[in-house]
Amino acid sequence: NAGVTQTPKFQVLKTGQSMTLQCAQDMNHNSMYWYRQDPGMGLRLIYYSASEGTTDKGEVPNGYNVSRLNKREFSLRLESAAPSQTSVYFCASSERVETGNFAEAFFGQGTRLTVV
Amino acid sequence: DQQVKQNSPSLSVQEGRISILNCDYTNSMFDYFLWYKKYPAEGPTFLISISSIKDKNEDGRFTVFLNKSAKHLSLHIVPSQPGDSAVYFCAASYGFNKFYFGSGTKLNVKP
Repeated sequence: NAGVTQTPKFQVLKTGQSMTLQCAQDMNHNSMYWYRQDPGMGLRLIYYSASEGTTDKGEVPNGYNVSRLNKREFSLRLESAAPSQTSVYFCASSERVETGNFAEAFFGQGTRLTVV
Repeated sequence: DQQVKQNSPSLSVQEGRISILNCDYTNSMFDYFLWYKKYPAEGPTFLISISSIKDKNEDGRFTVFLNKSAKHLSLHIVPSQPGDSAVYFCAASYGFNKFYFGSGTKLNVKP
């Protein structure tokens, strides 16, 4: 079982370039997430998708767009990369449950992005 | 403003002793709290959780304590092992499974 798969694992971009980070999960989860990890800041939620066809902003959405292509796939797009977007990006997925119940998030291995 | 805070960036403990990692939160709406463990170049992996209706949850060497009045939770690892050396993230969730993470504590267990 692959779990959550992210591509690419590493990427270097020049300022102003665009790129899409891909994420796919094979656990039939409804909810998917994109986080960025920066030193001293922990994991911050960029966007999430509670179910296929819906997306919502998280804590730090500026400069990003997302697409929930189908139940398996959730992509993150940088339209015009900036050095401040240098980070490690993690995709995650979880079951969507009603408030009061619980399901943990499963994470991919991350994409290390450098914008120069 | 971070809703989940881990004020200790690092912790060093001798093998066999207890490791105590702390976490504070500000949002009283959180109804589940989680701890994740992360090794370098890997994604975080789920470790243990606790519901807001409980004050303690135990799983082997790992115990999480929740003090709702103080908006504080802690993770105890007993006994600590060198393989426990990693970064530990505290997280909280409510509603549609949005997870908010702290900044992490790097645990070093010395042999």
